[in-house]
Amino acid sequence: SQQGEEDPQALSIQEGENATMNCSYKTSINNLQWYRQNSGRGLVHLILIRSNEREKHSGRLRVTLDTSKKSSSLLITASRAADTASYFCATSLDNYGQNFVFGPGTRLSVLP
Amino acid sequence: NAGVTQTPKFQVLKTGQSMTLQCAQDMNHNSMYWYRQDPGMGLRLIYYSASEGTTDKGEVPNGYNVSRLNKREFSLRLESAAPSQTSVYFCAGRSGTGGYNEQFFGPGTRLTVL
Repeated sequence: SQQGEEDPQALSIQEGENATMNCSYKTSINNLQWYRQNSGRGLVHLILIRSNEREKHSGRLRVTLDTSKKSSSLLITASRAADTASYFCATSLDNYGQNFVFGPGTRLSVLP
Repeated sequence: NAGVTQTPKFQVLKTGQSMTLQCAQDMNHNSMYWYRQDPGMGLRLIYYSASEGTTDKGEVPNGYNVSRLNKREFSLRLESAAPSQTSVYFCAGRSGTGGYNEQFFGPGTRLTVL
């Protein structure tokens, strides 16, 4: 089974609304990363949160991390049609940050 | 800078044929990775190279071989392609150590094995 698992699998909202995606993982981590993938493209890094951080912001993105529950959430505020994409969380299985595992992703559709 | 580039973009193979997917980066990454992405499965790590001259298995290495030719290039070889290897393949690079750096992804190679 996969280390990271996002939910929901798919999310559809109206422009201007907030979108929240969750990620759960199984083993201890030193950081968790979120990526976005537009249809047919490679992944693009959004934000990294370290295991000793609880919350991090970047523009309209807010990420939280709860290591006791082994979960993270990604909040996109005031969503735009251009935010339509798949969002993945990723963690590393080893202490060297090499053996990465990605969840199956959340497919976000922002309707104009 | 071109970033991370992959060739070819598309490929169709017959079962049993072999091919090599090429990946190159001009971002001075120490580490490079090969992933496959199947519908609804997210990305799965095939092999990675933490530095020039080293390679390690990821989650799904069976049926694949890799070569870290130099710091810039990391190739993935399918010796005898099978329909189960139909997928989109992504190469990625990363600088630094300890996992505190982002990965930069190439545009992907869409492979179909008939």
